[in-house]
Amino acid sequence: LAKTTQPISMDSYEGQEVNITCSHNNIATNDYITWYQQFPSQGPRFIIQGYKTKVTNEVASLFIPADRKSSTLSLPRVSLSDTAVYYCLVGGSSGGYNKLIFGAGTRLAVHP
Amino acid sequence: EAGVAQSPRYKIIEKRQSVAFWCNPISGHATLYWYQQILGQGPKLLIQFQNNGVVDDSQLPKDRFSAERLKGVDSTLKIQPAKLEDSAVYLCASSRPGTSGGQETQYFGPGTRLLVL
Repeated sequence: LAKTTQPISMDSYEGQEVNITCSHNNIATNDYITWYQQFPSQGPRFIIQGYKTKVTNEVASLFIPADRKSSTLSLPRVSLSDTAVYYCLVGGSSGGYNKLIFGAGTRLAVHP
Repeated sequence: EAGVAQSPRYKIIEKRQSVAFWCNPISGHATLYWYQQILGQGPKLLIQFQNNGVVDDSQLPKDRFSAERLKGVDSTLKIQPAKLEDSAVYLCASSRPGTSGGQETQYFGPGTRLLVL
């Protein structure tokens, strides 16, 4: 399973766009990139998943360059409620084996 | 649909005592996971069940931790005897096989916060 590296913390202000970059130099061909969000005293929650190029949903966008060695989670117009820890994970689902390896994540603080 | 349920939410015990946590996954989810999350760190997988069979327990301290999944639905995680370093949040998650490639989305419960004194 590929190891990921992401910033330990980030600060932003309400209404700004936040981009969190994750590097995964050893990503395998069948690996997907998945982001989870965790609020204090809660379990992680799935945000978005992608394999290549760009994926967008109602919460975020995920940009993946052609070499797939990094990815960027983009949160448009953040609010105070987006203050959380964001985890980047890389892996694949093979024969029902679906292992997630969490790093320390990026602690995002949104200020008024 | 109802989420993953866990109980208790909080537990305080003394070292060398035993403790058990319970998890009820989302209905229809065949895969169940137990994670340990120490303060300031990401969750660490302890054990993964596929129905009632163990898929991965490589990081489960088997000398003191045990887990079972009854009839492929509910699961319990037990620690006996507890150590100070077991103080953490224990998260249960579940997922169901996807119809296409990619990682299965895991749905997490609120966790049980354990403090060992």
